[in-house]
Amino acid sequence: DAGITQSPRHKVTETGTPVTLRCHQTENHRYMYWYRQDPGHGLRLIHYSYGVKDTDKGEVSDGYSVSRSKTEDFLLTLESATSSQTSVYFCAISESISGGETQYFGPGTRLLVL
Amino acid sequence: GESVGLHLPTLSVQEGDNSIINCAYSNSASDYFIWYKQESGKGPQFIIDIRSNMDKRQGQRVTVLLNKTVKHLSLQIAATQPGDSAVYFCAENMEGSYIPTFGRGTSLIVHP
Repeated sequence: DAGITQSPRHKVTETGTPVTLRCHQTENHRYMYWYRQDPGHGLRLIHYSYGVKDTDKGEVSDGYSVSRSKTEDFLLTLESATSSQTSVYFCAISESISGGETQYFGPGTRLLVL
Repeated sequence: GESVGLHLPTLSVQEGDNSIINCAYSNSASDYFIWYKQESGKGPQFIIDIRSNMDKRQGQRVTVLLNKTVKHLSLQIAATQPGDSAVYFCAENMEGSYIPTFGRGTSLIVHP
């Protein structure tokens, strides 16, 4: 499982409240990612990080921010949650195998915004 | 919550049959491909990968075939078991890129 944990695993919150999801990895991977997964859309990249304090936007970054102050932790924050952000969120790391970059995923966080 | 398997193409097979799941990729410059398995309520799990200098690669009960001419990838699962029931999706990437592109997936249902 590439040593990836996510917390919380489930969360119910109300519209307008801030929410922070945490991803923790134990194997010193440089690249970390946040995806959301919704029926009919597959995995969509929110933000990614290529090192401590180095982050960049993905295709669905609006309404989300991230921080990476330590190699092992990558935080995803919804500043003011909306119902459209109800989703399953996956964290991933990248590891080079067979000469290509392969992503390994955490167990996911299921978020419901009421 | 709603399953990720809804709204996806579905392949139904009997236990013991061989399954073939297909994926069309979009970028002719992609040179690295991966298949993932995602069981209900879990994160995607790496199954097998293949580089563009190969057209076939075998793992344990799984084989990936790559046809670069038509930009097509397939995953063959031999002697399919109920535990193989999951959503399977492919990913493509290019050398030097850390941002793969994921397909939407196929839901495989194995009937005992």
